[in-house]
Amino acid sequence: AQTVTQSQPEMSVQEAETVTLSCTYDTSENNYYLFWYKQPPSRQMILVIRQEAYKQQNATENRFSVNFQKAAKSFSLKISDSQLGDTAMYFCAFMTPYSGAGSYQLTFGKGTKLSVIP
Amino acid sequence: SAVISQKPSRDICQRGTSLTIQCQVDSQVTMMFWYRQQPGQSLTLIATANQGSEATYESGFVIDKFPISRPNLTFSTLTVSNMSPEDSSIYLCSVEVPIGSGQETQYFGPGTRLLVL
Repeated sequence: AQTVTQSQPEMSVQEAETVTLSCTYDTSENNYYLFWYKQPPSRQMILVIRQEAYKQQNATENRFSVNFQKAAKSFSLKISDSQLGDTAMYFCAFMTPYSGAGSYQLTFGKGTKLSVIP
Repeated sequence: SAVISQKPSRDICQRGTSLTIQCQVDSQVTMMFWYRQQPGQSLTLIATANQGSEATYESGFVIDKFPISRPNLTFSTLTVSNMSPEDSSIYLCSVEVPIGSGQETQYFGPGTRLLVL
């Protein structure tokens, strides 16, 4: 079974500063995908960034980037130039081919609550 | 990406009653998923709904309690039956969308916040 661990229940960062959210996972799979989702108080789950396990290059999306360490099974999210709108719960998620239905199943971590302080 | 809507956005229900949540997607998708997010918790997959077949339920969830319909490629419903206060949660649907090169990703609806009294 896959597990995803986010060891930081809560974090805070000053506006315009940089913050890194940690995520580790455990799997015996070699082919998988990793995601960071953001859930602001509106509760809409928003895909922030996606990483394919076979790619060595770290994914980036504007102010969001990841540090993917496959051997260490680590997938941290770095948010640069933090903005007030970044305040949200951040969930790390792991996706692997679904064994029965031929589709993909997401496993989520428990989340990190990030507060951006003005 | 995909635009997903859910109805209702929130509801307050009495124990013992049932509520049906609707999920509508703006494009045809094969796989739809229903998740539960209990207060302060992460997301837990309830079931996978593939159009044209019975939904596949995860451990701890049964069809009698959470019947699912998937009548076409853009719509699904989840019913929470015989509700108790422990069913108070946010219920989210998601869809699997191809993003090219044989890869997929999941996008989520806005969720339905359910409070059972």
